[in-house]
Amino acid sequence: DAGITQSPRHKVTETGTPVTLRCHQTENHRYMYWYRQDPGHGLRLIHYSYGVKDTDKGEVSDGYSVSRSKTEDFLLTLESATSSQTSVYFCAISDRMGEQFFGPGTRLTVL
Amino acid sequence: AQSVTQPDIHITVSEGASLELRCNYSYGATPYLFWYVQSPGQGLQLLLKYFSGDTLVQGIKGFEAEFKRSQSSFNLRKPSVHWSDAAEYFCAVGTENTGNQFYFGTGTSLTVIP
Repeated sequence: DAGITQSPRHKVTETGTPVTLRCHQTENHRYMYWYRQDPGHGLRLIHYSYGVKDTDKGEVSDGYSVSRSKTEDFLLTLESATSSQTSVYFCAISDRMGEQFFGPGTRLTVL
Repeated sequence: AQSVTQPDIHITVSEGASLELRCNYSYGATPYLFWYVQSPGQGLQLLLKYFSGDTLVQGIKGFEAEFKRSQSSFNLRKPSVHWSDAAEYFCAVGTENTGNQFYFGTGTSLTVIP
C-alpha cells in the first residue's frame, strides 16, 4: 500500500470553528489532492497541489483553503466550519498521470 | 468539461452470476480511465486502468473492463461474482490537460445475494 496517512481519522466540531485536516505521504509523489465524499455525489475535488506551494481549486473549493509547504504534507483548512461541510474527506496522491492512491479518509461532523 | 456518468446507482446480483457496471465519459481526447472499488469504511482501491493500447484491460480480483471509443464507455465486468465483491464501485477519468485532475462518477453500489 502507498504510504498515505490522514489525521485525524474522526472529528466532531461545532459550527464556526476552524478545522485543519492533514495528509502525509511517504511516496514523494508530486500531486496531492483533497476530495470530499457525500452520498449521491461520489468524490468531488476540493483542491489539489502540483508541487510545493503550488495549489489550485477544484470543483467544490468554496469555504476551504489548502497549503503545501513540504512535498510530504498537504493541509486542508476549513476556516469556519459549517454543517454543509460534514462529510468524509479523502486525500490522494499521484505521480504524473498515473493512478491515484487514496488515504483512509477522515470523517468530519460539524454540529 | 470532463464528466463521468455511472447510470446505475445500485445493482443486485446473485453470487456466481456475471456482472457488468456501466461507465460513460465525456472528454475531447483519449482519456485515461480507471475503476476503483471502495469497501464500507475504507478508502478507494484501484481495480484497473486504461491508458492506451489493448482496449480490454485486466485488473485485480478477476475484473476486466473494455474501452469503447465509439460509445465513450468503459464498462467493468466480472464473469462470476463473489460475496466479497459487495462494495461501491467508482469510474474515473484522468486528464493531463487540466493539471492532472481526476473526475469521478457518482458510484454504483453492488449487493451480492447468496
